[in-house]
Amino acid sequence: KNQVEQSPQSLIILEGKNCTLQCNYTVSPFSNLRWYKQDTGRGPVSLTIMTFSENTKSNGRYTATLDADTKQSSLHITASQLSDSASYICVVTDSNSGYALNFGKGTSLLVTP
Amino acid sequence: EAQVTQNPRYLITVTGKKLTVTCSQNMNHEYMSWYRQDPGLGLRQIYYSMNVEVTDKGDVPEGYKVSRKEKRNFPLILESPSPNQTSLYFCASRAGGPGGTQYFGPGTRLTVL
Repeated sequence: KNQVEQSPQSLIILEGKNCTLQCNYTVSPFSNLRWYKQDTGRGPVSLTIMTFSENTKSNGRYTATLDADTKQSSLHITASQLSDSASYICVVTDSNSGYALNFGKGTSLLVTP
Repeated sequence: EAQVTQNPRYLITVTGKKLTVTCSQNMNHEYMSWYRQDPGLGLRQIYYSMNVEVTDKGDVPEGYKVSRKEKRNFPLILESPSPNQTSLYFCASRAGGPGGTQYFGPGTRLTVL
């Protein structure tokens, strides 16, 4: 069964610090992996998308990495800001018919002053 | 502006009273889906549609119905709501294929008393 596991479940960091969120998956066959940011009470918004051949992709202070061999991804946030407080969701697409999305349960990040 | 809209945003109802949550997208996307989000469980897919008149069950379809008579609209119908359907609901759409970004609506917070 396809699974996406995220860690940690929640994280509290001081403003200005860096942090790394983890995503491990068993989805096969793999098509792509996305990281979404979800502010409280709002719909998720895509941050990055990575395909099998990509190792690193950046979007401003967000950098995602992908190791397709070990089926692991990480999202690194540099110089965190209060507005980074949100839930971060890892979503892995499989390439079977319909391109089903497999969602992680998310990491809840709180950035404090 | 490209967007997915949902209505209503908030709804409090009573057990057994039929309701419909509307969803509309202006991006000409083929693929639309409905999710519910509950604390600790993440986003779970209820139903999806790969095109007009084509719908299929997701992971948690019990108690819900959908229809796709037009490309832009994908309403979610609860024929006889029950308290365990109290949740935050999201509609989403994306272009066909695995690489398309999935756009989420703003969410509908439903409470069934």
